[in-house]
Formats: sequence, structure tokens, C-alpha cells
Amino acid sequence: KAGVTQTPRYLIKTRGQQVTLSCSPISGHRSVSWYQQTPGQGLQFLFEYFSETQRNKGNFPGRFSGRQFSNSRSEMNVSTLELGDSALYLCASMGGGGSGANVLTFGAGSRLTVL
Amino acid sequence: DQQVKQNSPSLSVQEGRISILNCDYTNSMFDYFLWYKKYPAEGPTFLISISSIKDKNEDGRFTVFLNKSAKHLSLHIVPSQPGDSAVYFCAAMVYTSGTYKYIFGTGTRLKVLA
Repeated sequence: KAGVTQTPRYLIKTRGQQVTLSCSPISGHRSVSWYQQTPGQGLQFLFEYFSETQRNKGNFPGRFSGRQFSNSRSEMNVSTLELGDSALYLCASMGGGGSGANVLTFGAGSRLTVL
Repeated sequence: DQQVKQNSPSLSVQEGRISILNCDYTNSMFDYFLWYKKYPAEGPTFLISISSIKDKNEDGRFTVFLNKSAKHLSLHIVPSQPGDSAVYFCAAMVYTSGTYKYIFGTGTRLKVLA
């Protein structure tokens, strides 16, 4: 069973640009969540999508947005990049039924560097 | 407002000894608590969980203890192995808006010395 796939793995952008990150969840998982990891801040929740609808949202500015497609694949977008947006962005999927239905399974992440 | 706190950013332990990672929380409404392990260049992987109605859960070398009155949980690894060297995240789950929401701590970097 394929895991959660995130692309690209690494990218470098400059201030003011925008970036789009992609996430393919585990087959059968309908919930996709996004997290930002920075040193000393742990994993900060960005948003969660379920059946193409945003179900939960964290405390990030409107520059951070996301969407989910009918095949459960998700994208997140960050516009007008700032230096502080440099981080590891993690996608996680959840679902599939059974005892592990509420356990998040993470992808390897997309490492964004903003110069 | 950090609802889940891991106050020790790092911990070093000798191989074969016990590793104890700690986590404190503030919200008594959390339903489940989980531990994730993260190696460099990989995403976090689920390690072990405990329901809020339990006080202990064991899985091989890993045991999680929950003290609800103190709002504290800990992960014990016995015996510690060099392959356990990683960052460990404590997480709490609460049911809200029709789904479980996760809140993560800031992580503790464990180094097991051979």
C-alpha cells in the first residue's frame, strides 16, 4: 500500500513569490491535513480537508490556502512568501476505517526555503 | 497558547538504559494522546497511543503512562537502542467540528549513545 506522497521534496523561492505544494494521500483516506514544522515550534496545524471541504483551520494568515480534489489529492498554496515561511511542510492523511482510522499518516514533507 | 508542552528539547541516554520522554497538557477534554517519532528527512511516524480513560499502554519496548490528575504523560523506552535516536512528538486529539483535531508538542530530540 503506497504511503503519503508529497511533491516537491525541496524547493527554494524568493520573498514575494508564491508556492504550491502537492499531497497524494493513502488510497482510501479522505482526510488530508497540512502542518508546518519549524525549529522550536513543533508541528503547527494549517488546515484539514475532507471530501473537498475544509473541515478545520489553524491560526495562519490568509496567505496560506489549500484545496482538495475529488480524488482526495490536496494542494496548499502560500502567496507573497516571507522569510519566516521557510519550513518543512508536512501533509498527513487519515481514514480507511478500523482501529487506525484516526491515526495520522505523514508524508516525508516539502522543505521550503525562502531567500 | 501551547496546549501540549514538551519542556525538554533534548535528551541523551546510554544504550540499554531507559529513556523517559515527558509531555504536559492543559486541556482536560483531550480524548487520546499519541507519540510520533521523526527521523531526519522523513515524516513523523506513529509510535503508540493511549486513550484518556486508560493510564498505561504498552507495545514491546515502548510504554506510555498517563496521569490525568497531573495532566502529564510520559513515554518509556526500555531498553534504548541507537536506532531510537530521533525527535519524538507528543500529540493530543480532541473531537471538534466533526473530526479529530491533533495538537502537537514541540518535540524532544533523543540521542541514544552506543
